[in-house]
Amino acid sequence: NAGVTQTPKFQVLKTGQSMTLQCAQDMNHNSMYWYRQDPGMGLRLIYYSASEGTTDKGEVPNGYNVSRLNKREFSLRLESAAPSQTSVYFCASSEDRVGEQYFGPGTRLTVT
Amino acid sequence: EDQVTQSPEALRLQEGESSSLNCSYTVSGLRGLFWYRQDPGKGPEFLFTLYSAGEEKEKERLKATLTKKESFLHITAPKPEDSATYLCAVQYNFNKFYFGSGTKLNVKP
Repeated sequence: NAGVTQTPKFQVLKTGQSMTLQCAQDMNHNSMYWYRQDPGMGLRLIYYSASEGTTDKGEVPNGYNVSRLNKREFSLRLESAAPSQTSVYFCASSEDRVGEQYFGPGTRLTVT
Repeated sequence: EDQVTQSPEALRLQEGESSSLNCSYTVSGLRGLFWYRQDPGKGPEFLFTLYSAGEEKEKERLKATLTKKESFLHITAPKPEDSATYLCAVQYNFNKFYFGSGTKLNVKP
């Protein structure tokens, strides 16, 4: 089992460009999450999907959109990137809405 | 207002020197408290889940405990390979997850 995979690993964008971060899990989990991690601030929840077909905002959703493509895949889209979105992005999944989450390796995004 | 506070921010230990990391939380209606280990450049790795006060979980040199307002991660006789950042997270409601900023542990041989 690969667990949670994310692509790309690294990305550099110019302000105003758009991109989609991809995430997939092979653990047959129902719930999936997107976080950002910034120095000194801990992980912050951007969006989550409790189950296939549903998505909800987390703590810091502004400037992002998500799509739960199917049970395995959950993508995060930046429509118009801003320097404030420079961060490391992690995708995670959990069996259900309550319980431990399993994280992917992360995407390091720099917006210039 | 911080929901989860971890202390200390950094901890340096000699190999074999036991210690504890603290995670205090202010949320009510806790659904779960989670401990993770994160190595540089990698995603957090799940360690323990605690659901109710008095609960304890143990794995190798690590033991996690939970009270009504805080959790401790006890490290017994640590080795250099235990060096990492340890993260605490709390969940309340289905969409409320809060992570602490972590404790960076450095174990010297």
